[in-house]
Amino acid sequence: GQQLNQSPQSMFIQEGEDVSMNCTSSSIFNTWLWYKQDPGEGPVLLIALYKAGELTSNGRLTAQFGITRKDSFLNISASIPSDVGIYFCAGPGGTSYGKLTFGQGTILTVHP
Amino acid sequence: DTGVSQDPRHKITKRGQNVTFRCDPISEHNRLYWYRQTLGQGPEFLTYFQNEAQLEKSRLLSDRFSAERPKGSFSTLEIQRTEQGDSAMYLCASSSLHSGGVQETQYFGPGTRLLVL
Repeated sequence: GQQLNQSPQSMFIQEGEDVSMNCTSSSIFNTWLWYKQDPGEGPVLLIALYKAGELTSNGRLTAQFGITRKDSFLNISASIPSDVGIYFCAGPGGTSYGKLTFGQGTILTVHP
Repeated sequence: DTGVSQDPRHKITKRGQNVTFRCDPISEHNRLYWYRQTLGQGPEFLTYFQNEAQLEKSRLLSDRFSAERPKGSFSTLEIQRTEQGDSAMYLCASSSLHSGGVQETQYFGPGTRLLVL
């Protein structure tokens, strides 16, 4: 089945630093989604990407849909303590529009 | 605007017992999904409904698992004869499939955390 690999697995940064993480797929995706999950809560959508090469921003967050359609990147600028959490990439799984396939997540820790 | 809600938020049960979780989707959403998430992993798809029809089930959904959405609104996920390996966070999500076939984003509930002793 489809697999999404995220890197790095975890990051420890100082407040104010920029963060970059990426996600690669074993097959082509037509949509890339980035979610953030806080402890004990469900994932919350940050950014959705629908076209190869697309670059989309949401505040301090910027994500790009790779031109090969097999990767995506998420950048966070000027990190703050509330950026702490687990960041997941996701995309439609298989031939079904319904289910999403998720990466294993990048754990972000921000030191004040 | 109320989001996706799930009940209970936490459940502790003994091995062999049955448990049932409820999910209330966003009211105008016709698609409802169940995922399971274990520690250190991303959510894994279990099953989804379009209105009251269950359209797809993952092979993760063993015979002990059953999901229903009888009136196309709320859904229940039942696990019979629970095992310790069933311990996980069970997440529900909903979205709206438009007539043109373009699917909206899936919005997740807070999850039900199950611990089987």
